[in-house]
Amino acid sequence: EVQLVQSGSEVQKPGESVKISCKGSGYSFSNYWIGWVRQMPGKGLEWMGVIYPDDSDTRYNPSFQGQVTISADKSISTAYLQWTSLKASDTAMYYCARRAGTTPGLRFFDNWGQGTPVTVSS
Amino acid sequence: SYELTQPPSVSVSPGQTARITCSGDVLSKQYAIWYQQRPGQAPVSVIFKDSERPSGIPERFSGSSSGTTVTLTISGVQAEDEADYYCQSADSRGTWVFGGGTKVTVL
Repeated sequence: EVQLVQSGSEVQKPGESVKISCKGSGYSFSNYWIGWVRQMPGKGLEWMGVIYPDDSDTRYNPSFQGQVTISADKSISTAYLQWTSLKASDTAMYYCARRAGTTPGLRFFDNWGQGTPVTVSS
Repeated sequence: SYELTQPPSVSVSPGQTARITCSGDVLSKQYAIWYQQRPGQAPVSVIFKDSERPSGIPERFSGSSSGTTVTLTISGVQAEDEADYYCQSADSRGTWVFGGGTKVTVL
């Protein structure tokens, strides 16, 4: 069974850094793109970017480029999303998800993590 | 960048048919995907490649495409189908985008 298990909730102050994680199991983690999706309170889904764990090839939504860093450690089947200086506007639920496959027709997420809520408040 | 446009809400009585549209120029060239997100839960894909159903998704969910518009149809709506629904696609450069979401209310 494919599973993506995310790290727990985070409460941070503006300007602080944080790194949340997403551990995959039940499949060959290295060979499937992993993405991150933001959902601000009461709002819709936003695609942040994806990473291919085998070679760390990373693609970002231009809206998030430079604001966050996506990384992965294939040796422990874990992907990460990190901020170096949080803002209150980063308060949201963050989901990791697995891309279904590498062909163009499979540009969608077929398995999702449970979500990590991040709250940024002074 | 590109946009996908969905109606904010759709209301339907139990047993009736709900149709949700998603419009965008990219849809004439790229596949669409539909996700269901129930309150407090992570999204789940219910349609991919415009009209294919992942395993485990009930047959009452179907998808279609015409030009720059794709449609998610839920036939014989049940109370458990009350959720937010999002379309998603990707452009040729590999940038993905979600529609704004449609809240389906079962009356």
